[in-house]
Amino acid sequence: AQKITQTQPGMFVQEKEAVTLDCTYDTSDQSYGLFWYKQPSSGEMIFLIYQGSYDEQNATEGRYSLNFQKARKSANLVISASQLGDSAMYFCAMREGPTNFGNEKLTFGTGTRLTIIP
Amino acid sequence: EAGVTQSPTHLIKTRGQQATLRCSPISGHTSVYWYQQALGLGLQFLLWYDEGEERNRGNFPPRFSGRQFPNYSSELNVNALELEDSALYLCASSLRGYYTDTQYFGPGTRLTVL
Repeated sequence: AQKITQTQPGMFVQEKEAVTLDCTYDTSDQSYGLFWYKQPSSGEMIFLIYQGSYDEQNATEGRYSLNFQKARKSANLVISASQLGDSAMYFCAMREGPTNFGNEKLTFGTGTRLTIIP
Repeated sequence: EAGVTQSPTHLIKTRGQQATLRCSPISGHTSVYWYQQALGLGLQFLLWYDEGEERNRGNFPPRFSGRQFPNYSSELNVNALELEDSALYLCASSLRGYYTDTQYFGPGTRLTVL
C-alpha cells in the first residue's frame, strides 16, 4: 500500500484564488511528521510547512496552511491568494516514528503539478 | 545563512564508470540525507549519515555508497554505473535534537549515464 497518496497529478488555478492540494497517508505509528515541499522546474526542493502528529492546531506559514485531519489520515496543503510563482510540483512527505529515533527518512508522494493561470 | 550546496550541478558518465557527488550541509546541521529522483520512480530515500556514520539505507544495491566527513559534508559514490542510475540526486540536511527534524534540500546533481 502507498504510504503517501496524492491523487491530483495536475491542477490549474486562476491567479489570486485559493488552492487545496490533497494528501492522504498511511501509517500505524502514533508519532509521525508530515511535510510539504515545493519543487520548481529548477529541481530544488523547498520546504513549505510541517505538521506533527501530536500538534493540536493546524500548521500555518504565511500563505500556506495545512488542513490536518488525523482521523481521516489527510494532510491537505492550502495556498491562499495564489501567485504565478506558485507554479511548481508539490510533494507531500512523511516521517514515520518520533523525531530523533532513527526514523528520519522521508517517504514522498508522487506529487501534484500546480499551474497558476494569469 | 547559506543553504545546502551540491556539486557538480550536472554530471555525464558512461556505463560502468564511477560517479562522485558532493554535498555540504547547512552550517550546524549534522545529518545528511541522499535521495534519488528518477523519472517515473519519484523520490526515493538512499542514505542517511549522522555524526560521520551511516544510520539508515534505502533499498539500493551496495554500489551506492557514501561517507560523511568530520565537517559533516558528504559524498555519494555510485560504482559500475547503469543507464537507470540517470536521475536527479538530492541531498538534504537537518538539525537533530530539536522538536522538528525538517530536512532542507540542496539544488541537486543531475546525473546522466550514457
